[in-house]
Amino acid sequence: GQQVMQIPQYQHVQEGEDFTTYCNSSTTLSNIQWYKQRPGGHPVFLIQLVKSGEVKKQKRLTFQFGEAKKNSSLHITATQTTDVGTYFCAGNNAGGTSYGKLTFGQGTILTVHP
Amino acid sequence: EAGVVQSPRYKIIEKKQPVAFWCNPISGHNTLYWYLQNLGQGPELLIRYENEEAVDDSQLPKDRFSAERLKGVDSTLKIQPAELGDSAVYLCASSLGVGRGPSGANVLTFGAGSRLTVL
Repeated sequence: GQQVMQIPQYQHVQEGEDFTTYCNSSTTLSNIQWYKQRPGGHPVFLIQLVKSGEVKKQKRLTFQFGEAKKNSSLHITATQTTDVGTYFCAGNNAGGTSYGKLTFGQGTILTVHP
Repeated sequence: EAGVVQSPRYKIIEKKQPVAFWCNPISGHNTLYWYLQNLGQGPELLIRYENEEAVDDSQLPKDRFSAERLKGVDSTLKIQPAELGDSAVYLCASSLGVGRGPSGANVLTFGAGSRLTVL
């Protein structure tokens, strides 16, 4: 079945440093979503990427979708303590019997030291 | 808007006991999901409903887990009997539908989750 892998599993940064997490799918995706889960909270939707090579920005966050629609990345510029949490990518299968199935990666836990 | 409502938030039971979780999705959301989240892991799909039909339950351990979504709105997830390894957070989510395009129809809104501890 479809697998979605994320690296790194953990990332510790000093406030002000940049952070990047990478997401790779074993199958081609129709779209990819990113979620953030604060400690003790539940996943909250950040963004969805649909087009091959798409790049979207949300303030200090930059999201990219690979040309082959099998990988994605999230980059945070100049991290702040409010960025702390776990970032998940979730891939939507392109077709077949798994159409509509959203598969989550295992997440990257970001800690920011002030 | 209340968002996705789940109850109970916390449940502690002894092994072999039954437990049930309830979810009320966002009004108008046709698709409802139950996910299992273990500590330090991503959510894993247990079952997905489109209206009242379970369209993907391949990951649901059917020997002990059951779910229903009567009238296509609220849903319950039951475990009977519970085992030690079932300790986890059970997340309910809903979406407008299942879409491939940029419409956002398949964007998930999660509830706060039900944390189960089996002793």
